[in-house]
Amino acid sequence: EPEVTQTPSHQVTQMGQEVILRCVPISNHLYFYWYRQILGQKVEFLVSFYNNEISEKSEIFDDQFSVERPDGSNFTLKIRSTKLEDSAMYFCASSEWQGRNYGYTFGSGTRLTVV
Amino acid sequence: GENVEQHPSTLSVQEGDSAVIKCTYSDSASNYFPWYKQELGKRPQLIIDIRSNVGEKKDQRIAVTLNKTAKHFSLHITETQPEDSAVYFCAANLSNTGNQFYFGTGTSLTVIP
Repeated sequence: EPEVTQTPSHQVTQMGQEVILRCVPISNHLYFYWYRQILGQKVEFLVSFYNNEISEKSEIFDDQFSVERPDGSNFTLKIRSTKLEDSAMYFCASSEWQGRNYGYTFGSGTRLTVV
Repeated sequence: GENVEQHPSTLSVQEGDSAVIKCTYSDSASNYFPWYKQELGKRPQLIIDIRSNVGEKKDQRIAVTLNKTAKHFSLHITETQPEDSAVYFCAANLSNTGNQFYFGTGTSLTVIP
């Protein structure tokens, strides 16, 4: 079964540092997403990406966040200057179609710890 | 925007009993409702979904019902087994907003052997 892969699985960074979380979506999927989940809380939407541009972003996704698809396979989330409250599990997801109501496939997540 | 509420937050059942988790949503335009199972430290995995033109869907021991009028949908697990223990999230999709999913707050299900 096709998978969404994320690296690293765990990243520890100092407050104020930049981090880049990497994702390889399923190859024939067209829509890409980042979600985050603070420990013990619900999954929260950050951003969706289609056709090489952001299609929607939440209020969480402020100027400190950016996404990029630098090549045909990778999809990255960058946090420019991390804060303690950025500590969370970050999930990448991809889906094949928009508007056809296909469920997402989630990656296994990157646990970001900001110290 | 959409608001999805989920109850209960925790649920313990004896092995073999049934478990029911309920969700409500606020936006009547939402038209797709997946359920995800998340085991400790792992990714959410889709277990069943229902579209707004369907009232009920079943897959072996799992079923989902949708009441569009009341704007609520429920997950039913019958003959529960210890491996059903996990956190379950409902979600609602408003398909004209970039396919964003709005998640419920989760239900931690414990099946007691």
